[in-house]
Amino acid sequence: DQQVKQNSPSLSVQEGRISILNCDYTNSMFDYFLWYKKYPAEGPTFLISISSIKDKNEDGRFTVFLNKSAKHLSLHIVPSQPGDSAVYFCAASAVVSAGGTSYGKLTFGQGTILTVHP
Amino acid sequence: DGGITQSPKYLFRKEGQNVTLSCEQNLNHDAMYWYRQDPGQGLRLIYYSQIVNDFQKGDIAEGYSVSREKKESFPLTVTSAQKNPTAFYLCASSLRQGPQPQHFGDGTRLSIL
Repeated sequence: DQQVKQNSPSLSVQEGRISILNCDYTNSMFDYFLWYKKYPAEGPTFLISISSIKDKNEDGRFTVFLNKSAKHLSLHIVPSQPGDSAVYFCAASAVVSAGGTSYGKLTFGQGTILTVHP
Repeated sequence: DGGITQSPKYLFRKEGQNVTLSCEQNLNHDAMYWYRQDPGQGLRLIYYSQIVNDFQKGDIAEGYSVSREKKESFPLTVTSAQKNPTAFYLCASSLRQGPQPQHFGDGTRLSIL
């Protein structure tokens, strides 16, 4: 049962254009959403996040949109640059309790490979 | 510079041997995590620890063990009971309170010969 899905395994975009990466989720308990960027043989790097009380968060070329009714999250990169080529993971957080403690557990999507062509 | 250090970057072991992956952080984070990544899949949680001397199983803990004797360190042992140990292992940490991003190390690729 995959609670966070990135249905596009790959996306190819021309330099300067917009890249739109999509993510769908099923668990209505998720209250915090994140995007990570990952290069091969490296760990994911945090890009941008959004709380469930917002519908948009912007940081430079990166904007994340949240549609709670549709349970849909998207990352817009404008303008796209060749250096943006990487795997992008969305992740969703829900508070879980175990062993007397609680924490925000992250559930990751499968990732989307973004290629930006010069 | 603050960060998370995983070592070694590549590790080869014979089948049936236990192997320990190192994870050290100097971010003063309370919480630490171990994930496994397989090709074409997202990250799956193996173990996590919110404070020193306490840790909990994640979604795929079978065949793995951890310890948290110091705040900075969270080593992962892949035991011979783990049926398919070849994977990319990622360690992460975060501040304990509130919704916070997790920050990752650069990973260890484990290959069983």
